[in-house]
Amino acid sequence: DGGITQSPKYLFRKEGQNVTLSCEQNLNHDAMYWYRQDPGQGLRLIYYSQIVNDFQKGDIAEGYSVSREKKESFPLTVTSAQKNPTAFYLCASATLDPTDTQYFGPGTRLTVL
Amino acid sequence: QKEVEQDPGPLSVPEGAIVSLNCTYSNSAFQYFMWYRQYSRKGPELLMYTYSSGNKEDGRFTAQVDKSSKYISLFIRDSQPSDSATYLCAISETSGSRLTFGEGTQLTVNP
Repeated sequence: DGGITQSPKYLFRKEGQNVTLSCEQNLNHDAMYWYRQDPGQGLRLIYYSQIVNDFQKGDIAEGYSVSREKKESFPLTVTSAQKNPTAFYLCASATLDPTDTQYFGPGTRLTVL
Repeated sequence: QKEVEQDPGPLSVPEGAIVSLNCTYSNSAFQYFMWYRQYSRKGPELLMYTYSSGNKEDGRFTAQVDKSSKYISLFIRDSQPSDSATYLCAISETSGSRLTFGEGTQLTVNP
């Protein structure tokens, strides 16, 4: 089965703890993205990567970190510096083909207790 | 001003109605226009993808782009209860690059 997987589906963490969200794809896509979705605000870009070992900040990168050590994987760490981390986190991937667009994983719901 | 504006709704229609969903945008450099459908607590799935101005039809769905007015639309014909979801417009300057999303319109189709 080809696609994008995110784990876990639901995640709870205490304030002050770092947590890492997993995103894996077996579509052989070069580009990967992390978005955050809050009610009434659509999707906002956190980080993206178009090649292994390289990534760029999106619009709301503060309090987050990423790595891209393998083409298939793009984990997102939500650090204790993120002021309001409770949200729905979505990972996406895409080829660099000019006729293609982004495809999304099922998402991870993070709740800070 | 947001780069992409979308009426969040909620929009409620009877089964069989024609639904019109719309977005406006401000950056004339945008060239690629997408509509995603998102069911509750799921990831968005690509519904329609168009480049530049014009219409594109796929079954009951028609996407329309008017670059002169900076206005995009999604029409759903013969709407079904299974169409109940949030519809997100997304726009980019170049394909494969970062997308700018509208905030989504929540649609309910009542049987």
